[in-house]
Amino acid sequence: DSGVTQTPKHLITATGQRVTLRCSPRSGDLSVYWYQQSLDQGLQFLIQYYNGEERAKGNILERFSAQQFPDLHSELNLSSLELGDSALYFCASSEGGQGDALTDTQYFGPGTRLTVL
Amino acid sequence: AQTVTQSQPEMSVQEAETVTLSCTYDTSENNYYLFWYKQPPSRQMILVIRQEAYKQQNAMENRFSVNFQKAAKSFSLKISDSQLGDTAMYFCAFMNPFTGANSKLTFGKGITLSVRP
Repeated sequence: DSGVTQTPKHLITATGQRVTLRCSPRSGDLSVYWYQQSLDQGLQFLIQYYNGEERAKGNILERFSAQQFPDLHSELNLSSLELGDSALYFCASSEGGQGDALTDTQYFGPGTRLTVL
Repeated sequence: AQTVTQSQPEMSVQEAETVTLSCTYDTSENNYYLFWYKQPPSRQMILVIRQEAYKQQNAMENRFSVNFQKAAKSFSLKISDSQLGDTAMYFCAFMNPFTGANSKLTFGKGITLSVRP
């Protein structure tokens, strides 16, 4: 158990809908990262937050957004869902995000499997 | 942009034997970090080992060790005394938190390792 929690574990929804994925980082971790794992794209970085502020953006679609709250939990919002958004979405957390191998090492949650029908 | 290449899609090893998984990467940076993550059938992403590029000594964690060749941009993982529980997909990942002040992981496509009883 990494200490990172994600809810829900599974989500099945229809095209055009909107869903929210939730992540609670390990106790004491300030950074949260979101990754998407799909068969065709592999594991891709979406976005990073550090202590409530957006730190970096990757291949995140405009239909997707995220935020990190004062209690450091994070939510990833996916809207106008398409079939191609079906994937495993991981949240990871790290103590820092400041350029140190030890504190930047990321620990992953169990993932949320999203199925868009 | 950094790229990570894992050219072997699948490998198989007999229980108790040793196996080496290959990874190469491309970067123009001098300071960075490299990781191996394991994804068993449960789909959880589990950190196996970490290497800082400035360290000449290869990292070791119990049965897991790396062969880090900085000049060749090679980062292979050696698993000794393979166990059935090592059956998983293994991902090599690159992080450069020094440029752009973010700690995103760039992953290879992964290698599926099967340990035979």
